[in-house]
Amino acid sequence: LAKTTQPISMDSYEGQEVNITCSHNNIATNDYITWYQQFPSQGPRFIIQGYKTKVTNEVASLFIPADRKSSTLSLPRVSLSDTAVYYCLVALRGSSASKIIFGSGTRLSIRP
Amino acid sequence: EPEVTQTPSHQVTQMGQEVILRCVPISNHLYFYWYRQILGQKVEFLVSFYNNEISEKSEIFDDQFSVERPDGSNFTLKIRSTKLEDSAMYFCASSEARDRQGLQYFGPGTRLLVL
Repeated sequence: LAKTTQPISMDSYEGQEVNITCSHNNIATNDYITWYQQFPSQGPRFIIQGYKTKVTNEVASLFIPADRKSSTLSLPRVSLSDTAVYYCLVALRGSSASKIIFGSGTRLSIRP
Repeated sequence: EPEVTQTPSHQVTQMGQEVILRCVPISNHLYFYWYRQILGQKVEFLVSFYNNEISEKSEIFDDQFSVERPDGSNFTLKIRSTKLEDSAMYFCASSEARDRQGLQYFGPGTRLLVL
């Protein structure tokens, strides 16, 4: 499993764009990069998944450079409700079980 | 949007008692999982289940734990004799296909408190 490294915490203000970068130097050819969000006392929630270049959905964008050794989750115009823990994961393909190994994540705090 | 549901939302039990946590995965999903999160700690994988059998389990998932899919919709986690350290949030998750590994849908969790 490729190890991921992301900042422990980040602070920002409402209306700002927030970029959370994750490094995954040992990512394998068939691995996907996936981000989850977890609010306090709730289950993790899938945000976005990508393989290369850029992926955008209604919640976020995911930027993946050509070498795929890092990725950046971009949250446009954050609000107080975006305060949560964000997990960067590298999904293992090809195994019989697709367990998710969660790290400590990035605790994002949004201020008014 | 389809959701994973879990019952109960909270459970308080005495040490040594058996508890059963229930989950209803998303209906067309084939892979099911249990995770737990001790307060203030990481989400930890417990077990994965496919085709009516355990696919993989972690070291946490010892003989006190068991999982079952008793019918076409429910997926349960049983703890036979609870310990104080079993107090945690327990999350059920499901996924549609193995090819989309990493894309799992989590339930809201059951908060278990063992006294």
